[in-house]
Amino acid sequence: GQQLNQSPQSMFIQEGEDVSMNCTSSSIFNTWLWYKQDPGEGPVLLIALYKAGELTSNGRLTAQFGITRKDSFLNISASIPSDVGIYFCAGQLRSGAGSYQLTFGKGTKLSVIP
Amino acid sequence: NAGVTQTPKFRVLKTGQSMTLLCAQDMNHEYMYWYRQDPGMGLRLIHYSVGEGTTAKGEVPDGYNVSRLKKQNFLLGLESAAPSQTSVYFCASSWGFRRSSYEQYFGPGTRLTVT
Repeated sequence: GQQLNQSPQSMFIQEGEDVSMNCTSSSIFNTWLWYKQDPGEGPVLLIALYKAGELTSNGRLTAQFGITRKDSFLNISASIPSDVGIYFCAGQLRSGAGSYQLTFGKGTKLSVIP
Repeated sequence: NAGVTQTPKFRVLKTGQSMTLLCAQDMNHEYMYWYRQDPGMGLRLIHYSVGEGTTAKGEVPDGYNVSRLKKQNFLLGLESAAPSQTSVYFCASSWGFRRSSYEQYFGPGTRLTVT
Protein backbone atom coordinates (compact mmCIF):
# COMPACT_ATOMS: atom_id res chain seq x y z
CA GLY A 1 0.00 0.00 0.00
CA GLN A 2 0.87 3.67 -0.06
CA GLN A 3 3.30 4.95 2.52
CA LEU A 4 3.79 8.30 4.14
CA ASN A 5 7.13 9.11 5.68
CA GLN A 6 6.60 11.40 8.62
CA SER A 7 9.50 13.11 10.37
CA PRO A 8 10.78 13.55 12.89
CA GLN A 9 9.48 10.56 14.85
CA SER A 10 9.79 12.49 18.10
CA MET A 11 11.00 15.83 19.34
CA PHE A 12 11.65 17.57 22.63
CA ILE A 13 11.42 21.33 22.64
CA GLN A 14 11.41 24.17 25.13
CA GLU A 15 8.19 26.02 25.76
CA GLY A 16 8.03 29.03 23.48
CA GLU A 17 10.00 27.46 20.64
CA ASP A 18 8.65 26.94 17.14
CA VAL A 19 8.14 23.41 15.80
CA SER A 20 8.29 22.01 12.27
CA MET A 21 7.36 18.54 11.03
CA ASN A 22 6.67 17.10 7.61
CA CYS A 23 5.30 14.22 5.59
CA THR A 24 6.55 12.97 2.26
CA SER A 25 5.38 10.32 -0.17
CA SER A 26 6.20 8.92 -3.58
CA SER A 27 2.50 9.23 -4.50
CA ILE A 28 0.47 12.27 -5.46
CA PHE A 29 -2.22 13.21 -2.96
CA ASN A 30 -5.43 15.14 -3.51
CA THR A 31 -5.88 16.19 0.09
CA TRP A 32 -3.60 16.51 3.08
CA LEU A 33 -4.87 16.43 6.63
CA TRP A 34 -3.14 17.02 9.95
CA TYR A 35 -4.40 15.46 13.18
CA LYS A 36 -3.38 15.68 16.83
CA GLN A 37 -3.89 12.85 19.29
CA ASP A 38 -3.77 13.34 23.04
CA PRO A 39 -3.05 10.34 25.28
CA GLY A 40 -6.10 8.08 25.60
CA GLU A 41 -8.10 10.05 23.03
CA GLY A 42 -8.96 9.80 19.36
CA PRO A 43 -7.21 11.90 16.69
CA VAL A 44 -8.63 15.39 16.28
CA LEU A 45 -8.55 17.14 12.92
CA LEU A 46 -6.40 20.29 12.98
CA ILE A 47 -6.06 21.43 9.38
CA ALA A 48 -7.25 20.22 5.96
CA LEU A 49 -5.48 21.21 2.72
CA TYR A 50 -6.98 20.83 -0.76
CA LYS A 51 -4.78 22.64 -3.28
CA ALA A 52 -1.11 22.41 -4.16
CA GLY A 53 0.72 25.33 -2.61
CA GLU A 54 -2.11 26.08 -0.19
CA LEU A 55 -1.06 27.57 3.14
CA THR A 56 -3.64 27.35 5.94
CA SER A 57 -3.51 28.50 9.56
CA ASN A 58 -5.41 27.47 12.64
CA GLY A 59 -4.31 29.66 15.53
CA ARG A 60 -0.61 29.00 16.13
CA LEU A 61 -0.63 26.14 13.63
CA THR A 62 0.22 26.58 9.96
CA ALA A 63 0.23 23.82 7.37
CA GLN A 64 1.20 23.78 3.71
CA PHE A 65 0.31 21.52 0.79
CA GLY A 66 3.51 20.96 -1.16
CA ILE A 67 3.74 22.13 -4.77
CA THR A 68 4.61 18.63 -5.98
CA ARG A 69 1.48 17.25 -4.17
CA LYS A 70 3.77 14.68 -2.58
CA ASP A 71 4.47 16.41 0.70
CA SER A 72 3.05 18.58 3.43
CA PHE A 73 4.41 20.56 6.36
CA LEU A 74 3.07 21.56 9.76
CA ASN A 75 4.49 24.37 11.86
CA ILE A 76 3.58 25.27 15.43
CA SER A 77 4.67 28.67 16.67
CA ALA A 78 5.44 29.59 20.27
CA SER A 79 4.78 26.12 21.67
CA ILE A 80 2.94 25.70 24.96
CA PRO A 81 2.61 22.66 27.27
CA SER A 82 -0.81 21.69 25.88
CA ASP A 83 0.79 21.16 22.44
CA VAL A 84 2.13 17.85 23.78
CA GLY A 85 0.79 14.87 21.87
CA ILE A 86 1.22 12.90 18.68
CA TYR A 87 0.72 14.67 15.37
CA PHE A 88 -0.33 12.62 12.36
CA CYS A 89 -0.38 13.55 8.72
CA ALA A 90 -2.84 11.84 6.41
CA GLY A 91 -3.20 11.98 2.66
CA GLN A 92 -6.07 11.15 0.34
CA LEU A 93 -5.00 9.67 -2.98
CA ARG A 94 -5.60 11.74 -6.07
CA SER A 95 -7.85 9.29 -7.88
CA GLY A 96 -8.62 5.68 -8.52
CA ALA A 97 -10.03 2.86 -6.47
CA GLY A 98 -10.10 3.58 -2.77
CA SER A 99 -9.63 7.29 -3.34
CA TYR A 100 -11.81 8.05 -0.34
CA GLN A 101 -9.39 6.26 1.95
CA LEU A 102 -6.73 8.05 3.92
CA THR A 103 -3.13 6.96 4.28
CA PHE A 104 -1.65 7.91 7.66
CA GLY A 105 1.89 8.67 8.69
CA LYS A 106 3.23 7.01 11.82
CA GLY A 107 3.17 10.23 13.79
CA THR A 108 5.49 12.76 15.39
CA LYS A 109 5.51 12.66 19.18
CA LEU A 110 5.96 16.15 20.57
CA SER A 111 7.15 16.82 24.10
CA VAL A 112 7.31 20.37 25.48
CA ILE A 113 9.65 21.20 28.34
CA PRO A 114 8.24 24.00 30.50
CA ASN B 1 -23.87 17.05 18.49
CA ALA B 2 -21.99 14.17 20.08
CA GLY B 3 -20.00 13.53 16.89
CA VAL B 4 -18.63 9.99 16.82
CA THR B 5 -19.19 7.80 19.86
CA GLN B 6 -17.85 4.32 20.57
CA THR B 7 -19.01 1.60 22.95
CA PRO B 8 -17.41 0.20 25.08
CA LYS B 9 -14.35 2.24 26.06
CA PHE B 10 -12.48 -0.73 27.51
CA ARG B 11 -12.83 -4.48 27.26
CA VAL B 12 -10.85 -7.54 28.24
CA LEU B 13 -11.53 -10.79 26.38
CA LYS B 14 -10.19 -14.29 26.65
CA THR B 15 -8.85 -16.00 23.55
CA GLY B 16 -11.71 -17.44 21.52
CA GLN B 17 -14.42 -15.15 22.89
CA SER B 18 -16.45 -12.94 20.61
CA MET B 19 -17.56 -9.36 20.92
CA THR B 20 -19.01 -6.45 18.96
CA LEU B 21 -17.81 -2.86 19.03
CA LEU B 22 -20.41 -0.23 18.30
CA CYS B 23 -19.80 3.07 16.55
CA ALA B 24 -22.43 5.76 16.17
CA GLN B 25 -22.29 9.15 14.44
CA ASP B 26 -24.86 11.93 14.42
CA MET B 27 -23.38 14.02 11.57
CA ASN B 28 -25.29 12.26 8.77
CA HIS B 29 -21.98 11.17 7.24
CA GLU B 30 -22.05 8.72 4.35
CA TYR B 31 -18.72 7.03 4.97
CA MET B 32 -17.60 5.20 8.10
CA TYR B 33 -14.35 3.45 8.95
CA TRP B 34 -12.78 1.14 11.53
CA TYR B 35 -9.08 1.44 12.34
CA ARG B 36 -6.73 -0.23 14.75
CA GLN B 37 -3.80 1.56 16.32
CA ASP B 38 -0.75 -0.31 17.56
CA PRO B 39 2.51 1.16 18.92
CA GLY B 40 4.83 2.14 16.10
CA MET B 41 2.31 1.09 13.43
CA GLY B 42 0.14 4.18 13.17
CA LEU B 43 -3.50 3.82 12.13
CA ARG B 44 -4.41 0.90 9.93
CA LEU B 45 -7.75 0.55 8.18
CA ILE B 46 -9.68 -2.63 8.99
CA HIS B 47 -12.98 -2.20 7.13
CA TYR B 48 -14.98 0.70 5.81
CA SER B 49 -18.42 1.53 4.47
CA VAL B 50 -19.43 4.02 1.78
CA GLY B 51 -23.11 3.87 2.63
CA GLU B 52 -25.86 2.06 4.46
CA GLY B 53 -25.83 -1.63 3.65
CA THR B 54 -22.33 -1.57 2.10
CA THR B 55 -19.00 -2.68 3.54
CA ALA B 56 -15.52 -3.29 2.15
CA LYS B 57 -12.17 -4.59 3.32
CA GLY B 58 -9.33 -2.32 4.29
CA GLU B 59 -5.67 -3.01 4.88
CA VAL B 60 -5.99 -5.51 7.78
CA PRO B 61 -9.46 -7.16 7.60
CA ASP B 62 -8.63 -10.72 8.70
CA GLY B 63 -10.38 -11.83 11.90
CA TYR B 64 -12.95 -9.03 11.76
CA ASN B 65 -16.43 -8.58 10.32
CA VAL B 66 -18.54 -5.46 10.01
CA SER B 67 -22.10 -4.44 9.36
CA ARG B 68 -23.83 -1.17 8.53
CA LEU B 69 -27.56 -1.75 8.79
CA LYS B 70 -28.27 1.88 9.63
CA LYS B 71 -26.52 4.93 8.23
CA GLN B 72 -25.54 6.22 11.65
CA ASN B 73 -24.13 2.94 13.02
CA PHE B 74 -21.13 0.82 12.08
CA LEU B 75 -20.43 -2.39 13.98
CA LEU B 76 -17.12 -4.22 14.22
CA GLY B 77 -17.21 -7.87 15.25
CA LEU B 78 -14.55 -10.25 16.45
CA GLU B 79 -15.84 -13.81 16.11
CA SER B 80 -12.96 -15.57 17.88
CA ALA B 81 -10.60 -13.14 19.58
CA ALA B 82 -6.83 -13.69 19.44
CA PRO B 83 -4.04 -12.00 21.43
CA SER B 84 -2.86 -10.37 18.17
CA GLN B 85 -6.11 -8.37 18.21
CA THR B 86 -5.09 -6.57 21.39
CA SER B 87 -5.14 -2.97 20.23
CA VAL B 88 -6.92 0.35 20.39
CA TYR B 89 -9.80 0.54 17.92
CA PHE B 90 -11.01 3.78 16.42
CA CYS B 91 -14.10 4.49 14.42
CA ALA B 92 -14.25 7.46 12.05
CA SER B 93 -16.75 9.01 9.66
CA SER B 94 -16.70 11.45 6.75
CA TRP B 95 -19.05 13.06 4.21
CA GLY B 96 -17.32 11.27 1.36
CA PHE B 97 -18.21 11.67 -2.29
CA ARG B 98 -21.49 13.49 -1.75
CA ARG B 99 -19.74 16.61 -0.53
CA SER B 100 -16.33 15.81 -1.99
CA SER B 101 -14.99 15.89 1.54
CA TYR B 102 -12.84 13.18 2.93
CA GLU B 103 -12.06 14.78 6.26
CA GLN B 104 -12.46 11.99 8.78
CA TYR B 105 -13.69 12.59 12.31
CA PHE B 106 -12.70 10.09 14.95
CA GLY B 107 -14.34 8.61 18.02
CA PRO B 108 -12.58 8.32 21.41
CA GLY B 109 -11.49 4.72 20.88
CA THR B 110 -12.00 1.29 22.44
CA ARG B 111 -9.07 -0.28 24.23
CA LEU B 112 -9.26 -4.06 23.80
CA THR B 113 -7.05 -6.59 25.53
CA VAL B 114 -7.17 -10.27 24.59
CA THR B 115 -5.56 -12.64 27.08
